[in-house]
Amino acid sequence: QSALTQPASVSGSPGQSITISCAGTSSDVGYSKYVSWYQHYPGKAPKLIIYDVSNRPSGVSNRFSGSKSGNTASLTISGLQAEDEADYYCSSYTSTNTLAVFGGGTQLTVL
Amino acid sequence: EVQLVQSGAEVKKPGESLRISCKGSGFSFTSYWISWVRQMPGKGLEWMGRIDPSDSYKNYSPSFQGHVSISADKSISTAYLQWSSLKASDSAIYYCARHFKSSAWTPFDSWGQGTLVTVSS
Repeated sequence: QSALTQPASVSGSPGQSITISCAGTSSDVGYSKYVSWYQHYPGKAPKLIIYDVSNRPSGVSNRFSGSKSGNTASLTISGLQAEDEADYYCSSYTSTNTLAVFGGGTQLTVL
Repeated sequence: EVQLVQSGAEVKKPGESLRISCKGSGFSFTSYWISWVRQMPGKGLEWMGRIDPSDSYKNYSPSFQGHVSISADKSISTAYLQWSSLKASDSAIYYCARHFKSSAWTPFDSWGQGTLVTVSS
């Protein structure tokens, strides 16, 4: 069981918006602003798409946005495109000796 | 171009030792932490630990402390993950990832392509 809880799968049609949740605790997601999201195509290197809850690295589409409320973070992808079909992982800094934790991953299917 | 290039897939028997590598290029290797992340078959990602290549200071996740060893050779910009006695449960994909050294936590902004380790008798 992963430290952070994500839905196993979500789906949406091209052009639609979807939101992926990432539930943690007051020791991780709720502890600080250090929540990040990664896009992962199987067999490839994961890619950072959101850091510090809601910041996008240079070059990442503004269709990706992040937010947090309490112990739950969320990733929203608007204007879904076929190329968005991938696995998405959240990650958080923690206040424990396990400095970083990840979610179990969410498989996004673009219908 | 920033790159983390990992060593190739390995097939080992239980009890054997193994060291996999992660070579950085295109950036100042000693300005970043290098973390190792495990992905077991069909599962999510797990942070294993990290190393500061400038002085080899390390942090391990309690879940992995004592089971693996992380090291680095800054002269060749390479980090390593090592097992002295593999178990079947070590079968997984292992990723290295860099994050900037700062007083605050920083995200994993570049990752290796992963190394598949298969442990089977």
